[in-house]
Amino acid sequence: DAKTTQPPSMDCAEGRAANLPCNHSTISGNEYVYWYRQIHSQGPQYIIHGLKNNETNEMASLIITEDRKSSTLILPHATLRDTAVYYCIVRNNNAGNMLTFGGGTRLMVKP
Amino acid sequence: DSGVTQTPKHLITATGQRVTLRCSPRSGDLSVYWYQQSLDQGLQFLIQYYNGEERAKGNILERFSAQQFPDLHSELNLSSLELGDSALYFCASSNWGGSDTQYFGPGTRLTVL
Repeated sequence: DAKTTQPPSMDCAEGRAANLPCNHSTISGNEYVYWYRQIHSQGPQYIIHGLKNNETNEMASLIITEDRKSSTLILPHATLRDTAVYYCIVRNNNAGNMLTFGGGTRLMVKP
Repeated sequence: DSGVTQTPKHLITATGQRVTLRCSPRSGDLSVYWYQQSLDQGLQFLIQYYNGEERAKGNILERFSAQQFPDLHSELNLSSLELGDSALYFCASSNWGGSDTQYFGPGTRLTVL
């Protein structure tokens, strides 16, 4: 799986949009971008995933650049409960089923 | 709530002992994955089972073993425990064990004294 690079930490004001970047410059054409988050020591929670088109669900939006070398997870109106470690994972859906977690971004939402 | 359950929530034991962690996948899911999260190693994949058969293996020690039963629940057995085995152990499940999304359980915190 392609390696990802995320900033180790970010702050966001409550009610504002949180934009979490991820670089995956070695991504291959058949590799998906997945986002999970982990609140404190709870189990990782699936957020969203995409291949090349932008995606949106009830939790977040995923913006993938045209060259697919980077992406941004957007939490439109961050709340204190969004404070967590966010993991960007590039996954080849044709080979290998495991998720490879990096260090993630620790997002702190502040009042 | 992901629908994946794990027991026990906490486990405290001594070095050299053996423990069993249990995971029940979401209803309808055939595949189970085990991950370990320690402070110095982050989240690491251990092993995957699909419909009772081992499908993929990651960084799982020889002292560790797993199985998936006919009712699809899975158990992770850890033996000859060492201090370094202290970690959070997560189970995840997915429907068919391929490119589908994995959903994680709440984890078991193992402390080896």
